[in-house]
Amino acid sequence: DQQVKQNSPSLSVQEGRISILNCDYTNSMFDYFLWYKKYPAEGPTFLISISSIKDKNEDGRFTVFLNKSAKHLSLHIVPSQPGDSAVYFCAASPAGGSNYKLTFGKGTLLTVNP
Amino acid sequence: KAGVTQTPRYLIKTRGQQVTLSCSPISGHRSVSWYQQTPGQGLQFLFEYFSETQRNKGNFPGRFSGRQFSNSRSEMNVSTLELGDSALYLCASSSYGNTEAFFGQGTRLTVV
Repeated sequence: DQQVKQNSPSLSVQEGRISILNCDYTNSMFDYFLWYKKYPAEGPTFLISISSIKDKNEDGRFTVFLNKSAKHLSLHIVPSQPGDSAVYFCAASPAGGSNYKLTFGKGTLLTVNP
Repeated sequence: KAGVTQTPRYLIKTRGQQVTLSCSPISGHRSVSWYQQTPGQGLQFLFEYFSETQRNKGNFPGRFSGRQFSNSRSEMNVSTLELGDSALYLCASSSYGNTEAFFGQGTRLTVV
């Protein structure tokens, strides 16, 4: 049973536009959420995170929104750049913000076209 | 500050053999976690070590084991390799109380 779901395997956007990547979770024990970016043959790179006590966190071009009642989070990238093309993973950790056992979604391949 | 280092980067083994993978965490990080990435299952948690003790374990068979040394370096071992063990094995380190896990580049294991 997948506790973290990324329902869109792929997303294609034009350079300069907004990219919106979505993630849903089922386990109400999750209270810390992270987004990672991964290029082929490399390990995931941490992008941005959000605690369940917040509904929004922003870092430069990246903003993560959390809707706890809907058990849904999204990552917005504005403006999108070709270098953003990668697989994006949503991850969740249990109460206490422990990153010791992350549960990952299966990823969304983002392609930003010049 | 050096990142998480995993060795070797690539490995080819035969079914039935065993393999040991190594991970050196970021200096000062005492927690090391291991993940398996396959195309069908995505990233799955294997286990986590902190101060030489296994604190968390994922849903993998006993053929998968690990250990952590006093300098926080960690190894994972897979015995009696199966074709389905072919995957990218990722190690992540974190410091106590930190909410971010930093990943190494992974070891690509191919079982033939």
